[in-house]
Amino acid sequence: GAVVSQHPSRVICKSGTSVKIECRSLDFQATTMFWYRQFPKQSLMLMATSNEGSKATYEQGVEKDKFLINHASLTLSTLTVTSAHPEDSSFYICSARGRSTETQYFGPGTRLLVL
Amino acid sequence: AQKVTQAQTEISVVEKEDVTLDCVYETRDTTYYLFWYKQPPSGELVFLIRRNSFDEQNEISGRYSWNFQKSTSSFNFTITASQVVDSAVYFCALSEFNDYKLSFGAGTTVTVRA
Repeated sequence: GAVVSQHPSRVICKSGTSVKIECRSLDFQATTMFWYRQFPKQSLMLMATSNEGSKATYEQGVEKDKFLINHASLTLSTLTVTSAHPEDSSFYICSARGRSTETQYFGPGTRLLVL
Repeated sequence: AQKVTQAQTEISVVEKEDVTLDCVYETRDTTYYLFWYKQPPSGELVFLIRRNSFDEQNEISGRYSWNFQKSTSSFNFTITASQVVDSAVYFCALSEFNDYKLSFGAGTTVTVRA
């Protein structure tokens, strides 16, 4: 149990385009989903927290207009990187938490490369 | 503010050796949760354990064991008889009661050589 999927696993795009990443909880309902960013050989940095049906809460320094988060259902959250630039290239990982647990389960991550 | 420190950046061992990963945390909350995650080269974070602040029992799961010491704010992780498949980055993390956000340590890269 507690499986989280992410799609796509890898994406290469041109500068200025937008990229959407999907995060799904496959066998449980995710009350809360989280989006992280990880640069090479660094730790995970929380970008935002989203609860189903409400607006995402962004961490300090994360541009909400740049990183659009939608948590439309209890099993799906999306992160859209708008007008992507090379500095947005990173490993994006989502996690999901069920209603009655403190544990976050992570997706396999999405490697974004902006040329 | 909460903080997690993993002082060891890299550890390299030969197969079958034991390896202990240190984790020290800071929090003002009396109720909190501690976690260990494994990140193999594929990138996916694998949940290993969650420990509640009010439960100081140590835990063993196969070759993995955890030592939670509230008095020293430490939550150390030991891999016994290490194997090549244990090679990964291991993260310690903390969340506070009703917050659910995870604060991660910097991670410790473990390399197990055959």
